[in-house]
Amino acid sequence: DQQVKQNSPSLSVQEGRISILNCDYTNSMFDYFLWYKKYPAEGPTFLISISSIKDKNEDGRFTVFLNKSAKHLSLHIVPSQPGDSAVYFCAASAISTEKLTFGTGTRLTIIP
Amino acid sequence: NAGVTQTPKFRVLKTGQSMTLLCAQDMNHEYMYWYRQDPGMGLRLIHYSVGEGTTAKGEVPDGYNVSRLKKQNFLLGLESAAPSQTSVYFCASSSSQETQYFGPGTRLLVL
Repeated sequence: DQQVKQNSPSLSVQEGRISILNCDYTNSMFDYFLWYKKYPAEGPTFLISISSIKDKNEDGRFTVFLNKSAKHLSLHIVPSQPGDSAVYFCAASAISTEKLTFGTGTRLTIIP
Repeated sequence: NAGVTQTPKFRVLKTGQSMTLLCAQDMNHEYMYWYRQDPGMGLRLIHYSVGEGTTAKGEVPDGYNVSRLKKQNFLLGLESAAPSQTSVYFCASSSSQETQYFGPGTRLLVL
């Protein structure tokens, strides 16, 4: 049972445009959501997070939106740069647990 | 600050052999985790620890054992390796239930 789903395995976006990565979840107990970025042969690195009490969080070119009623979150990257080409994982944690549940990842390719 | 380090970076095993993967963190984090990453499967939690001397099972614990004898180290053991354990293994640590910091990974091939 995949509790965190990233339905797009890959996405290609032109440099300078907006990249939108999507993530859906099924567990209503999730209260904290994170995005990780992963380059080949490296470990995932934390990118941005959002608590369930918010619906938006910004950090420079990265913005995460949370729609609790739809159990959906998205990561917006504006403007997209070649260095953003990587695999992006969505993750979620439930109230008072120590564990993260990860999605299967979306490979983002920025076309120069 | 080295962050999270993993040893070895790459290993080839024959079916039935055993090995131990070492994870070390210098951030004084309480929580430590072992994941495996397989194509199309994302990151799946194998075992985790909420403090020195504690361990707990994750999503895919079968065939693995762990130990957390020191706060900074988390060991992952394979007693009898199987080809299904061919994967990339990541260790992570955190100070809370939220942001986890990952090591660079160990690539394991079981023949």
